[in-house]
Amino acid sequence: DQQVKQNSPSLSVQEGRISILNCDYTNSMFDYFLWYKKYPAEGPTFLISISSIKDKNEDGRFTVFLNKSAKHLSLHIVPSQPGDSAVYFCAASPGGATNKLIFGTGTLLAVQP
Amino acid sequence: DVKVTQSSRYLVKRTGEKVFLECVQDMDHENMFWYRQDPGLGLRLIYFSYDVKMKEKGDIPEGYSVSREKKERFSLILESASTNQTSMYLCASSLPTGWGWGQPQHFGDGTRLSIL
Repeated sequence: DQQVKQNSPSLSVQEGRISILNCDYTNSMFDYFLWYKKYPAEGPTFLISISSIKDKNEDGRFTVFLNKSAKHLSLHIVPSQPGDSAVYFCAASPGGATNKLIFGTGTLLAVQP
Repeated sequence: DVKVTQSSRYLVKRTGEKVFLECVQDMDHENMFWYRQDPGLGLRLIYFSYDVKMKEKGDIPEGYSVSREKKERFSLILESASTNQTSMYLCASSLPTGWGWGQPQHFGDGTRLSIL
Protein backbone atom coordinates (compact mmCIF):
# COMPACT_ATOMS: atom_id res chain seq x y z
CA ASP A 1 0.00 0.00 0.00
CA GLN A 2 1.53 3.27 -1.18
CA GLN A 3 1.36 5.72 1.74
CA VAL A 4 2.92 8.58 -0.23
CA LYS A 5 1.71 9.08 -3.80
CA GLN A 6 2.90 11.25 -6.63
CA ASN A 7 0.27 10.68 -9.28
CA SER A 8 1.98 12.62 -12.07
CA PRO A 9 5.00 10.74 -13.42
CA SER A 10 6.05 13.76 -15.46
CA LEU A 11 5.46 17.49 -15.90
CA SER A 12 6.59 19.91 -18.60
CA VAL A 13 6.77 23.67 -17.98
CA GLN A 14 8.08 26.69 -19.88
CA GLU A 15 11.06 28.56 -18.48
CA GLY A 16 9.95 31.46 -16.28
CA ARG A 17 6.54 29.96 -15.49
CA ILE A 18 5.43 28.27 -12.28
CA SER A 19 6.00 24.55 -11.71
CA ILE A 20 3.60 22.83 -9.30
CA LEU A 21 4.41 19.33 -8.13
CA ASN A 22 1.85 17.44 -6.08
CA CYS A 23 1.96 14.72 -3.47
CA ASP A 24 -0.78 12.95 -1.51
CA TYR A 25 -0.42 10.86 1.63
CA THR A 26 -2.68 8.53 3.54
CA ASN A 27 -1.25 8.42 7.07
CA SER A 28 -2.48 11.24 9.29
CA MET A 29 0.35 10.48 11.76
CA PHE A 30 3.01 11.85 9.39
CA ASP A 31 4.49 14.93 11.07
CA TYR A 32 7.28 16.08 8.77
CA PHE A 33 7.40 16.34 4.99
CA LEU A 34 10.29 16.89 2.60
CA TRP A 35 11.04 17.42 -1.07
CA TYR A 36 14.14 16.06 -2.75
CA LYS A 37 15.53 16.75 -6.19
CA LYS A 38 17.47 14.11 -8.12
CA TYR A 39 19.58 14.45 -11.24
CA PRO A 40 20.50 11.30 -13.22
CA ALA A 41 23.51 9.41 -11.80
CA GLU A 42 23.46 11.49 -8.59
CA GLY A 43 21.92 10.97 -5.18
CA PRO A 44 18.79 12.88 -4.10
CA THR A 45 19.46 16.37 -2.77
CA PHE A 46 17.35 17.79 0.05
CA LEU A 47 15.38 20.80 -1.18
CA ILE A 48 12.86 21.99 1.41
CA SER A 49 10.79 20.64 4.29
CA ILE A 50 7.74 21.48 6.38
CA SER A 51 6.51 20.30 9.75
CA SER A 52 2.88 19.42 10.34
CA ILE A 53 2.32 22.47 12.53
CA LYS A 54 2.81 24.77 9.52
CA ASP A 55 0.94 25.15 6.23
CA LYS A 56 3.63 26.93 4.22
CA ASN A 57 7.40 27.14 4.07
CA GLU A 58 9.37 29.25 1.62
CA ASP A 59 13.00 29.18 0.54
CA GLY A 60 13.89 31.42 -2.37
CA ARG A 61 12.13 30.18 -5.51
CA PHE A 62 10.76 27.12 -3.69
CA THR A 63 7.60 27.04 -1.57
CA VAL A 64 6.01 23.99 0.00
CA PHE A 65 2.33 24.01 0.95
CA LEU A 66 0.72 21.52 3.32
CA ASN A 67 -3.03 20.89 3.48
CA LYS A 68 -3.49 18.47 6.38
CA SER A 69 -7.25 18.10 5.98
CA ALA A 70 -6.77 17.00 2.38
CA LYS A 71 -3.55 15.09 3.16
CA HIS A 72 -1.93 16.94 0.29
CA LEU A 73 1.48 18.48 -0.18
CA SER A 74 2.67 20.63 -3.08
CA LEU A 75 5.94 22.19 -4.20
CA HIS A 76 5.86 25.46 -6.17
CA ILE A 77 8.89 26.60 -8.13
CA VAL A 78 8.74 30.21 -9.34
CA PRO A 79 10.21 31.10 -11.76
CA SER A 80 11.15 27.75 -13.24
CA GLN A 81 14.61 27.45 -14.79
CA PRO A 82 16.08 24.80 -17.15
CA GLY A 83 18.44 23.71 -14.34
CA ASP A 84 15.36 22.69 -12.32
CA SER A 85 14.80 19.80 -14.74
CA ALA A 86 15.13 16.70 -12.55
CA VAL A 87 13.10 14.05 -10.75
CA TYR A 88 11.39 15.38 -7.62
CA PHE A 89 10.53 13.07 -4.74
CA CYS A 90 8.27 13.93 -1.85
CA ALA A 91 8.81 12.12 1.45
CA ALA A 92 7.02 11.91 4.78
CA SER A 93 8.15 10.98 8.27
CA PRO A 94 5.95 8.98 10.64
CA GLY A 95 7.94 10.40 13.56
CA GLY A 96 10.13 8.55 16.01
CA ALA A 97 13.82 8.95 16.79
CA THR A 98 14.97 6.83 13.86
CA ASN A 99 13.87 9.49 11.33
CA LYS A 100 12.56 6.92 8.88
CA LEU A 101 11.14 8.41 5.67
CA ILE A 102 8.52 7.12 3.25
CA PHE A 103 9.13 8.27 -0.34
CA GLY A 104 6.80 8.82 -3.25
CA THR A 105 7.56 7.44 -6.70
CA GLY A 106 8.80 10.72 -8.11
CA THR A 107 7.80 13.27 -10.77
CA LEU A 108 10.08 14.08 -13.69
CA LEU A 109 10.05 17.85 -14.28
CA ALA A 110 11.19 19.16 -17.65
CA VAL A 111 11.63 22.94 -17.92
CA GLN A 112 11.66 23.99 -21.57
CA PRO A 113 13.84 26.99 -22.54
CA ASP B 1 28.36 20.21 4.22
CA VAL B 2 27.43 16.62 4.95
CA LYS B 3 29.41 14.15 2.91
CA VAL B 4 28.08 10.66 2.30
CA THR B 5 30.46 8.57 0.23
CA GLN B 6 29.60 5.30 -1.46
CA SER B 7 32.62 3.21 -2.38
CA SER B 8 31.64 2.43 -5.99
CA ARG B 9 29.61 4.30 -8.59
CA TYR B 10 29.23 1.26 -10.84
CA LEU B 11 29.57 -2.42 -10.02
CA VAL B 12 29.04 -5.57 -12.07
CA LYS B 13 28.76 -8.92 -10.30
CA ARG B 14 27.65 -12.43 -11.14
CA THR B 15 24.64 -14.36 -9.87
CA GLY B 16 25.40 -16.13 -6.60
CA GLU B 17 28.28 -13.87 -5.60
CA LYS B 18 28.40 -12.21 -2.18
CA VAL B 19 28.41 -8.45 -2.75
CA PHE B 20 29.45 -5.71 -0.35
CA LEU B 21 28.37 -2.08 -0.77
CA GLU B 22 30.12 0.38 1.52
CA CYS B 23 28.96 3.78 2.76
CA VAL B 24 30.80 6.31 4.91
CA GLN B 25 29.50 9.60 6.36
CA ASP B 26 31.56 12.35 7.92
CA MET B 27 28.95 14.19 10.04
CA ASP B 28 28.80 11.93 13.08
CA HIS B 29 25.17 11.07 12.29
CA GLU B 30 23.49 8.42 14.40
CA ASN B 31 21.10 7.21 11.69
CA MET B 32 22.10 5.55 8.44
CA PHE B 33 19.92 4.03 5.72
CA TRP B 34 20.12 1.85 2.63
CA TYR B 35 17.58 2.26 -0.21
CA ARG B 36 17.18 0.91 -3.67
CA GLN B 37 15.70 3.00 -6.46
CA ASP B 38 13.88 1.37 -9.35
CA PRO B 39 11.91 3.05 -12.17
CA GLY B 40 8.31 3.71 -11.18
CA LEU B 41 8.88 2.50 -7.61
CA GLY B 42 10.67 5.44 -6.02
CA LEU B 43 13.05 4.85 -3.13
CA ARG B 44 12.40 1.76 -1.06
CA LEU B 45 14.03 1.26 2.32
CA ILE B 46 16.05 -1.94 2.70
CA TYR B 47 17.60 -1.55 6.17
CA PHE B 48 18.46 1.22 8.57
CA SER B 49 20.62 1.65 11.65
CA TYR B 50 20.13 4.07 14.53
CA ASP B 51 23.35 3.29 16.38
CA VAL B 52 26.50 1.21 16.14
CA LYS B 53 25.65 -2.50 15.93
CA MET B 54 21.92 -1.65 15.87
CA LYS B 55 19.84 -2.33 12.79
CA GLU B 56 16.23 -2.64 11.74
CA LYS B 57 14.57 -4.07 8.66
CA GLY B 58 12.99 -1.69 6.22
CA ASP B 59 10.30 -2.51 3.68
CA ILE B 60 12.29 -4.90 1.45
CA PRO B 61 15.02 -6.63 3.51
CA GLU B 62 14.81 -10.05 1.86
CA GLY B 63 18.12 -11.13 0.32
CA TYR B 64 20.08 -8.39 2.12
CA SER B 65 21.92 -7.94 5.39
CA VAL B 66 23.80 -4.99 6.90
CA SER B 67 26.70 -4.29 9.19
CA ARG B 68 27.50 -1.25 11.30
CA GLU B 69 30.66 -1.76 13.33
CA LYS B 70 31.62 1.92 13.42
CA LYS B 71 29.39 4.98 13.60
CA GLU B 72 30.56 6.42 10.29
CA ARG B 73 30.30 3.24 8.21
CA PHE B 74 27.25 1.25 7.11
CA SER B 75 27.63 -1.74 4.81
CA LEU B 76 24.98 -3.46 2.71
CA ILE B 77 25.55 -7.14 1.91
CA LEU B 78 23.87 -9.15 -0.81
CA GLU B 79 24.30 -12.67 0.53
CA SER B 80 23.85 -14.41 -2.82
CA ALA B 81 23.28 -11.91 -5.62
CA SER B 82 20.38 -12.46 -7.99
CA THR B 83 19.40 -10.68 -11.20
CA ASN B 84 16.38 -9.05 -9.52
CA GLN B 85 18.80 -7.18 -7.28
CA THR B 86 20.09 -5.19 -10.25
CA SER B 87 19.30 -1.63 -9.19
CA MET B 88 20.57 1.76 -8.03
CA TYR B 89 21.52 1.56 -4.35
CA LEU B 90 21.51 4.72 -2.26
CA CYS B 91 22.95 5.29 1.20
CA ALA B 92 21.80 8.13 3.46
CA SER B 93 22.51 9.47 6.93
CA SER B 94 20.73 11.81 9.33
CA LEU B 95 20.52 13.10 12.86
CA PRO B 96 17.80 11.53 14.99
CA THR B 97 14.50 13.41 15.28
CA GLY B 98 15.21 13.93 18.97
CA TRP B 99 17.21 16.97 17.87
CA GLY B 100 13.98 18.69 16.80
CA TRP B 101 11.29 18.35 14.17
CA GLY B 102 12.27 15.69 11.65
CA GLN B 103 15.68 15.82 10.07
CA PRO B 104 16.52 15.61 6.38
CA GLN B 105 18.43 12.57 5.24
CA HIS B 106 21.59 13.26 3.25
CA PHE B 107 22.36 10.93 0.37
CA GLY B 108 25.42 9.59 -1.37
CA ASP B 109 25.63 9.53 -5.17
CA GLY B 110 24.55 5.92 -5.38
CA THR B 111 25.97 2.65 -6.68
CA ARG B 112 24.59 1.31 -9.95
CA LEU B 113 24.77 -2.46 -9.41
CA SER B 114 24.29 -4.93 -12.25
CA ILE B 115 23.96 -8.64 -11.55
CA LEU B 116 24.63 -10.82 -14.59
